[in-house]
Parts: sequence; structure tokens; C-alpha cells
Amino acid sequence: DVKVTQSSRYLVKRTGEKVFLECVQDMDHENMFWYRQDPGLGLRLIYFSYDVKMKEKGDIPEGYSVSREKKERFSLILESASTNQTSMYLCASSFPARRVGYTFGSGTRLTVV
Amino acid sequence: QQQVKQSPQSLIVQKGGISIINCAYENTAFDYFPWYQQFPGKGPALLIAIRPDVSEKKEGRFTISFNKSAKQFSLHIMDSQPGDSATYFCAASSHNFNKFYFGSGTKLNVKP
Repeated sequence: DVKVTQSSRYLVKRTGEKVFLECVQDMDHENMFWYRQDPGLGLRLIYFSYDVKMKEKGDIPEGYSVSREKKERFSLILESASTNQTSMYLCASSFPARRVGYTFGSGTRLTVV
Repeated sequence: QQQVKQSPQSLIVQKGGISIINCAYENTAFDYFPWYQQFPGKGPALLIAIRPDVSEKKEGRFTISFNKSAKQFSLHIMDSQPGDSATYFCAASSHNFNKFYFGSGTKLNVKP
């Protein structure tokens, strides 16, 4: 089974801190995604990447950046954390040629105080 | 603009009843429609999926009904159980599978 591993289940950070959320997948998936999930708003796409060193903005990229230096790792960076970034963050990956959906990680619950 | 619209936002069903969640889309290029199930504290997991060449797909108690002309699809959970209580997301993708568009989610509560 494909595994998508998010490095932290829970994080508490202070306003203004630089925050790194890490995601690693172990099945050579080409595509990787970062979503945030908030009650009533569903899954909102922050950034995605189709290949190493490539990135594209999703629907809500403001306040975030990403890094993909290796195929298996996709990092989400909050340059200066704010309280409105308190959320559940979900990483996902996929291999389009296999014609199946995403595999999600278990999520990181980030609280910014 | 939301590409996939999902309703209801929440649903309460008695044990043994039928749970029905509906989704609609506009983009006729979509040709793969999965449903994801998410338990509290977990990431969404693929539950069942359908392609538009069939009108129905059944896996155990879970059935997807697909109406291509109406651009709608729905998830039916027969004999709903308390263990089915979760958030359900519908999604859609075009043939290249590069990106999926998700509905806003339905929180299902099955009462014992």
C-alpha cells in the first residue's frame, strides 16, 4: 500500500513563526498536493506539484509557499504564521497513469497562538 | 467557483436506514468520480469510484448512482451503521487524472 506520511500529527506554533509541514510518500508518485480542511469549507487546495522543483498555486496560496527538492517529499511553508492559518493540513499524492485517485496522509492539526 | 457541489452538509440517519449524499458538476470533461470517507483524526480514504460509462456501481453496502445527462452522482449507503459515521467527500477528475476537484463534504451521523 502507498503510504503518505506527514511528519507531525499536532503542532502548536506562535504567531509570526516560520512553520514547516513535511510530507513524504513512498511509491514514486509524480503528483503531490497540500490542502487545508476547515469545518464547512471542505478541502481547499493550497499548492500542488507535478514534478520535482515544479509547483503551482492552488485556490488559496496566500501566506504559504512550498518546496519539492526530491520526488518523494513535498514541504508546505508558512512564512509567518497567523491565527487564521489554524487548521487541519492534508497532504496527498497520486500517480495519474495508474488512473486512481489521491492517497492522503493522516493530516497535521496546526494551531497558531 | 466550485466545480463540484455537494449536499447535504450534514446528515443524521438511524441505524439500518439509507444514507444518500448528492453531488453535481458542470464540467463535461470530468470522467472519473470517486468518493472519499474520512474518520475523525484521519485523512480521507478512497471508498468507491465510478466512470461515466456505467450508471451504477455497487461495493457491498455502498452504491454510486450516476446520471450523465443531469451531471449528477450520488452515494447511497444501505443498512447504515454507526461505524459509517464519518465525513464523505465526492470528487471529480478529467481523463488525465492530474487534479481532482472536491465537494464540500457531508458529515454523516448514524444513530444507534
